[in-house]
Formats: sequence, C-alpha cells, structure tokens
Amino acid sequence: SYVLTQPPSVSVAPGKTARITCGGNNIGSKSVHWYQQKPGQAPVLVIYYDSDRPSGIPERFSGSNSGNTATLTISRVEAGDEADYYCQVWDSSSDHPGVVFGGGTKLTVL
Amino acid sequence: QITLKESGPTLVKPTQTLTLTCTFSGFSLSTSGVGVGWIRQPPGKALEWLALIYWNDDKRYSPSLKSRLTITKDTSKNQVVLTMTNMDPVDTATYYCARSQGAPINWFDPWGQGTLVTVSS
Repeated sequence: SYVLTQPPSVSVAPGKTARITCGGNNIGSKSVHWYQQKPGQAPVLVIYYDSDRPSGIPERFSGSNSGNTATLTISRVEAGDEADYYCQVWDSSSDHPGVVFGGGTKLTVL
Repeated sequence: QITLKESGPTLVKPTQTLTLTCTFSGFSLSTSGVGVGWIRQPPGKALEWLALIYWNDDKRYSPSLKSRLTITKDTSKNQVVLTMTNMDPVDTATYYCARSQGAPINWFDPWGQGTLVTVSS
C-alpha cells in the first residue's frame, strides 16, 4: 500500500516561513491535499489539488508537489498557525484504490 | 452552509458492532462527484481513513478494515451510515465524517465535529 511520510515536528519563529514535507513514491504524479488540525478541533482543508486554496484560507498558505516530495509552505507564520498538519492523497495504484493520510506534522511556533 | 454531524454510541463493548450516522445539510449526495467519507483518529494519533461512498453508490474501504466495515447512504434523509463489526479497544477513537469532492481525487471538506467512541467492557 502507498505510504506518505511526514516529519513528526517542525518549529519556526513568528514571521518566518515554515515548510512541511510529505514524501511518497512518485507523489508528484498524484494530487496532494493538506489539512490543519488544532487541538480539540476537526481537521480543516487548507490546500487541495497540490496548490489550490479553499475560500477563507489565507494566501500565506501555499503548496507544491514534484518528484517524491510535496510541500506545504506557510509564510509569515503566526501563533495561530500552531497545529498538526496532515497530507492526503488518493492512491489509485493498488488493487484497492483508497485514501491515504500521512502521519502528521506538529508545527510549533517558537 | 454545509454541515455534517456524527451520531452514535459513545461507549461500546468489545465484540459488539458499532453503528454511526452522519447527518448532513447544504449539499446533495445525488450530485455527481460528491461523496461522504469516514475518518477516525485514536487519541493522540494520526488520521486514518475508513470508508467512502459516492453519489452513484460506489463504495471504497480501507484495505486493512474492509472485512469489518459497511457504508450505506440514504439520499432522501441526507444520511450516511457506517457499521464496524467486532469492535476492540484499539478501535477507541474520534470518528469523523466529511464531504468528499473531486472524485476520484477526493479531498475532504468540510468535516463534522467528530464523535468519540470508547471501546471498553
């Protein structure tokens, strides 16, 4: 089955840029979606189709995807961005197509 | 405004069958490309996808849980039901339902608030 690998944690100072990676075999050939989850809350979609932002998501959130790595970039990080972030793809390569989530990355704002 | 809400028991005993209902509003499960999925999250752990049902009644299941899961929809009631058999304490988790779009690429937006299910005797 398809595996998505995320770093367990990323730390960044306020105002700086955070980059959260999501690794997978030839992930560049898939569409990657990203979710933000704050403590005690349900996940919220922040990026879909690699780099599209849903309405209401700040332009500070952007995404890219190429080769074996997809990246969520958060510019001008704010304290309110501290959360867990999950990447997700649709794996159509197996006999049983389905949804795959990464293990999540905890973003800490220093 | 699109909303989803999960309902069901908060406590189930080992070996019992769990039945969860997702009641939604603001969209139709008859619309092409739309689906509803179930995702769970054990306390302190990552998200795990369980099942997905599409507007055309096509269904997809997590390979590791396929034998225990059944997903159905009632379009007239705007509900999707998930059943999971033979519950075990390791199935203790918050269970979310969410609208999926972009089939077959499938992203989830929005999500319900989630419901915590504890498996214990």
